[in-house]
Amino acid sequence: EVQLVESGGGLIQPGGSLRLSCAASGFTVSSNYMSWVRQAPGKGLEWVSVIYSGGSTYYADSVKGRFTISRDNSKNTLYLQMNSLRAEDTAVYYCARGVAVAGIEYFDYWGQGTLVTVSS
Amino acid sequence: SYVLTQPPSVSVAPGKTARITCGGNNIGSKSVHWYQQKPGQAPVLVIYYDSDRPSGIPERFSGSNSGNTATLTISRVEAGDEADYYCQVWDSSSDPHVVFGGGTKLTVL
Repeated sequence: EVQLVESGGGLIQPGGSLRLSCAASGFTVSSNYMSWVRQAPGKGLEWVSVIYSGGSTYYADSVKGRFTISRDNSKNTLYLQMNSLRAEDTAVYYCARGVAVAGIEYFDYWGQGTLVTVSS
Repeated sequence: SYVLTQPPSVSVAPGKTARITCGGNNIGSKSVHWYQQKPGQAPVLVIYYDSDRPSGIPERFSGSNSGNTATLTISRVEAGDEADYYCQVWDSSSDPHVVFGGGTKLTVL
């Protein structure tokens, strides 16, 4: 059974750093494309970052240069290092497993999410 | 970037059919995916590749896509279908490539 379990969220001051983790089971993270998607309170879904099986990474403009996506193959875990956090980064962060076939991509499994609150 | 437009809300009586639209420029040329999100829960994929259903999703959920509009149809609506629904596409010419619609709140009267 595929499972994704996020952790690492919490209350952080503006300008601070936080690292989110997403522990996967039932499949191999390194063989799949994995993304982080966030949802601000009362708002819709916003794609944040992706890491492909080959290791390529991409980011939304809103987080480029501040966030870093990575994975630990030995732990089968996805990470999101978030630096220089801003109030507008406040959101529930979901990790999601992507399916990419012939240039069509969607997400077939999602974690339960972890809340990040940036506030002084 | 590519824009997907959804109505903020749709209301339907139990047992009736709900239709949630997702508008985009020539969206019929893209593959559209739909997610259901109940309050306090993670999104769940309910339709992929316009009209395919993942295992475990009831046949009451169906999708179509043509021209500038994709549609998620829920037949014989139940109280448990009340949720937010999001459409999503992957567009190679958009930045970011993954695009979500703004979401539609389905209310079961």
